[in-house]
Amino acid sequence: AQSVAQPEDQVNVAEGNPLTVKCTYSVSGNPYLFWYVQYPNRGLQFLLKYITGDNLVKGSYGFEAEFNKSQTSFHLKKPSALVSDSALYFCAADSSASKIIFGSGTRLSIRP
Amino acid sequence: GAVVSQHPSRVICKSGTSVKIECRSLDFQATTMFWYRQFPKKSLMLMATSNEGSKATYEQGVEKDKFLINHASLTLSTLTVTSAHPEDSSFYICSASVASGTGGTQYFGPGTRLTVL
Repeated sequence: AQSVAQPEDQVNVAEGNPLTVKCTYSVSGNPYLFWYVQYPNRGLQFLLKYITGDNLVKGSYGFEAEFNKSQTSFHLKKPSALVSDSALYFCAADSSASKIIFGSGTRLSIRP
Repeated sequence: GAVVSQHPSRVICKSGTSVKIECRSLDFQATTMFWYRQFPKKSLMLMATSNEGSKATYEQGVEKDKFLINHASLTLSTLTVTSAHPEDSSFYICSASVASGTGGTQYFGPGTRLTVL
């Protein structure tokens, strides 16, 4: 079965430090990969996506993600975390017909 | 750009009543709209996919007679929860895609919190 895994339920980082939120996928073919962020009681906001080309994708709010085909990973990164980055982050893969498979989500907590 | 709205943002209803949730793409025409359900501290569960002018495609285990979806235009889709029960209480999120086929980015609405008493 196709799936997207986010192995960490929660990631805690001090403000100003770099952050990484992990994501691996098991999807047939060459999937398109996405990161979304969700703030409390809100819908998901699109951060970035990978389709093809450069393995490092830059997105909104200073976030970027690195695609690694051999490791089937698409980790989300930011060089310097802000307290306002605290939210729930979802990795997703789209392998066919615009149907997206979501990971279970990772709660990112940035302490001042 | 690519803004999706949902109305209402929050609704409380009595058991047995029906509730309609609207999803609108405000500044683009959406070829496809999606309805998700999210349980507390859980990921999104796709309920159905709808294309304008055609019947929605429901995911396995989702009762199409209970969750009625109407995609009346390229900017409006509605989800009606019929004869709601407390177990239907959840956070419902819609999304709209600007392109059909693989790779179309989905833009999400802010969600609707449904509480059934």
